[in-house]
Amino acid sequence: KNEVEQSPQNLTAQEGEFITINCSYSVGISALHWLQQHPGGGIVSLFMLSSGKKKHGRLIATINIQEKHSSLHITASHPRDSAVYICAVYSGGGADGLTFGKGTHLIIQP
Amino acid sequence: EAGVTQFPSHSVIEKGQTVTLRCDPISGHDNLYWYRRVMGKEIKFLLHFVKESKQDESGMPNNRFLAERTGGTYSTLKVQPAELEDSGVYFCASSQAVTGESPLHFGNGTRLTVT
Repeated sequence: KNEVEQSPQNLTAQEGEFITINCSYSVGISALHWLQQHPGGGIVSLFMLSSGKKKHGRLIATINIQEKHSSLHITASHPRDSAVYICAVYSGGGADGLTFGKGTHLIIQP
Repeated sequence: EAGVTQFPSHSVIEKGQTVTLRCDPISGHDNLYWYRRVMGKEIKFLLHFVKESKQDESGMPNNRFLAERTGGTYSTLKVQPAELEDSGVYFCASSQAVTGESPLHFGNGTRLTVT
């Protein structure tokens, strides 16, 4: 069973700051997802990655398969980035669903 | 394209009653997943459909939960009889390929409160 740990659990930062959210997992995976959930809203998939790095706008996701670790970075953070960011992994091997971390609650203050 | 839609958005029922949640996936997505977040916990997998077939239902908590996907289109998740611990947010997601091969598209969730 994969254990997914995210850090920090809560993060408050000022607008413009560079944000890093970390995710580590215990068992090898096929893919890792970064998800975003705004208060009262649905879940949006930001990235799915299995190696290396992906970039979309101000968001960057990296993964180190050997170290079983991924990071989500937000450059030039903005109050609209305030949300819960969730890391989820897919281990395969007959278990079809994602295993989720508890999420990081991010608040960007103007 | 229309996203994943879930109905209702909120449901408040009494313990012992029955509730049916509905999910309409993105058209053409064969893979449909149900997930649940109970208060204070992480989101957990319930089950996975490929078209109308249950591929993996290892996450279903007990036999009070019944999921169907007639004709491989929309899916329903019925809870009968509901218990207090069933309260939470139920998310549906769909994808073209299986979890590790294509992104998941989530619905906005159904918030279920059992009193």
